[in-house]
Amino acid sequence: DTAVSQTPKYLVTQMGNDKSIKCEQNLGHDTMYWYKQDSKKFLKIMFSYNNKELIINETVPNRFSPKSPDKAHLNLHINSLELGDSAVYFCASSQGEGAGYTFGSGTRLTVV
Amino acid sequence: GENVEQHPSTLSVQEGDSAVIKCTYSDSASNYFPWYKQELGKRPQLIIDIRSNVGEKKDQRIAVTLNKTAKHFSLHITETQPEDSAVYFCAARQEGGYNKLIFGAGTRLAVHP
Repeated sequence: DTAVSQTPKYLVTQMGNDKSIKCEQNLGHDTMYWYKQDSKKFLKIMFSYNNKELIINETVPNRFSPKSPDKAHLNLHINSLELGDSAVYFCASSQGEGAGYTFGSGTRLTVV
Repeated sequence: GENVEQHPSTLSVQEGDSAVIKCTYSDSASNYFPWYKQELGKRPQLIIDIRSNVGEKKDQRIAVTLNKTAKHFSLHITETQPEDSAVYFCAARQEGGYNKLIFGAGTRLAVHP
């Protein structure tokens, strides 16, 4: 039973396309996150939802739009993909304040 | 906002030696400091964490120390093994930040047999 699962694991697409990444957690956590890991391995937060409510929205281009249909799911839709969007995107979840994250296995996005 | 600096960026040790990775943070109100291990092509995994009311925590071969006055915390790995080779990330939780973790840039640890 995978605690935090993401699909797809790999995504190769052309510039200008629109794509979505899906994330589901079966841990019963109330908070979910999207992090971007660039080629230098730096992990940067993009968004966070708590019980379907957007609570963190970092300086991310409007082309990125998260959606949380329920507290167990957090999806990321990206419009008009650019070369610089190539990265590994990690979903994560946590429960409560001051709690560690459980990360998903990541989605490696390559824009060509 | 919070800023976390991590040193060194790479660390190479012989099997059996100890390894120490250090992080400093900027927000004195930060109160939770986890450490993650990321093996090649895998997800980051929580290996140990410490809260601001504790100065040291140990779990078998790994330990974390926190100096709130100096705003730095360190990861100590003793008796290193080749399977400890990975990228290690420190993080700090920003006070009032909805459990938002700010990560350091990572340390690539290589343990040579």
